Amino acid sequence: EVHLVESGGGLVQPGGSLRLSCATSGFTFRDHWMSWVRQAPGKGLEWVANTKEDGSETFYVDSVKGRFTISRDSTKNSVYLQMNSLRVEDTAVYYCARPHYDVVIGRKTYFDYWGQGTLVTVSS
Amino acid sequence: DIVMTQSPDSLVVSLGERATINCKSSQSVLYNSNNKNYLAWYQQKPGQPPKLLIYWASTRESGVPDRFSGSGSGTDFTLTISSLQAEDVAVYYCQQYYSPLFTFGPGTKVDVK
Repeated sequence: EVHLVESGGGLVQPGGSLRLSCATSGFTFRDHWMSWVRQAPGKGLEWVANTKEDGSETFYVDSVKGRFTISRDSTKNSVYLQMNSLRVEDTAVYYCARPHYDVVIGRKTYFDYWGQGTLVTVSS
Repeated sequence: DIVMTQSPDSLVVSLGERATINCKSSQSVLYNSNNKNYLAWYQQKPGQPPKLLIYWASTRESGVPDRFSGSGSGTDFTLTISSLQAEDVAVYYCQQYYSPLFTFGPGTKVDVK
């Protein structure tokens, strides 16, 4: 059974940094892209970042480019989100999610598994 | 970036009645080489992560009740709940995965009358 478990959230001041972790199990981690998706309080879902199976490619939403870095460690089956220069508007629940890999088309696709999320609060 | 919009923002439906949610993308998410629409639908209940309902615009995820159906192609899509049940009260999101930069619609809240 697939499990995604996030950790590392908390309260941080504007301008501060935080590193989120997502521990995975139940699937072959090195065969899958991984993503972070966030949800501000009372708001909708916003995709944040993707990392390729081997970490060689990453993509970010414009609002976090240059501030957030997604990375992964295949030895620990984990994906991370380093968040620097945090802003009040980064306050959200951050979900780790796995894009389904479609072997027929050879591409990442929809999110088939999600973690429970970890809350990041940026406030002075 | 592909912008996703949804309508309505919210709807209230009687138990057993049909609920229809629309989703529109700013550019086509139909990939001509395989004739697939790169569009998914998710359901999110309070305090829970999203749950995948529909992918490829119309393929129901395993275990999802058949009262949920997806349709549409290109830029216009619809999620239909044929007979609303109390447990369907939730927010529903569409999402495109055509672009490497995934985007979600703003969500539609469904409530029971």
